[in-house]
Amino acid sequence: QSALTQPPSASGSPGQSVTISCTGTSSDVGGYNYVSWYQQHPGKAPKLMIYEVSKRPSGVPDRFSGSKSGNTASLTVSGLQAEDEADYYCSSYAGGNIYVVFGGGTKLTVL
Amino acid sequence: QITLKESGPMLVKPTQTLTLTCTFSGFSLSTSGVGVGWIRQPPGKALEWLALIYWDDDKHYSPSLKSRLTITKDTSKNQVVLTMTNMDPVDTATYYCAHLGYCTNGVCYQFDPWGQGTLVTVSS
Repeated sequence: QSALTQPPSASGSPGQSVTISCTGTSSDVGGYNYVSWYQQHPGKAPKLMIYEVSKRPSGVPDRFSGSKSGNTASLTVSGLQAEDEADYYCSSYAGGNIYVVFGGGTKLTVL
Repeated sequence: QITLKESGPMLVKPTQTLTLTCTFSGFSLSTSGVGVGWIRQPPGKALEWLALIYWDDDKHYSPSLKSRLTITKDTSKNQVVLTMTNMDPVDTATYYCAHLGYCTNGVCYQFDPWGQGTLVTVSS
């Protein structure tokens, strides 16, 4: 059982927007602005897509955006493209003892 | 350009100790603020954070695995080593090492980039 809860799947048609949620607690997502999102294509290593809730690393399209409200963080992918089909994982800092936690992952399907 | 690569045995027997090495380039673990972590992923399952080591030798471990894990660094060789004792078939996974990236004021908890990963199978 992962520390952060994500929906197992999400889907959308090309050009549409889709939002993936990541629910934690006040001890992780809600307590710190250190939520990050990773994209993982089959057989590949994860790639950082969003860090510190809403910041985009260089090279990541602005179609990817992040936000947070209370204990739930969200990743929104706008203008869906075929190459966005992948697994997405959220992660959060969880304080000095637990430190880093991941979500269970969401498989995004582009219909 | 930062790169990382994991190396180690592909197959270990139950109860054995696993030793994995992460060899990196493009940064130094003697530079303030730098850190390297290990994350694993069982086949078809989610990512699980294991351990993290900083430039100043500060170390952090997953509470559920802390008793079995040791992370060390060799700055001169640009390597980070993870050992995991008492391996079990449930530890079968792809093990990744990753650099802590995009740090703000020396603080960060996100991994970028990642190594390609190495699949470790635990079986007798």
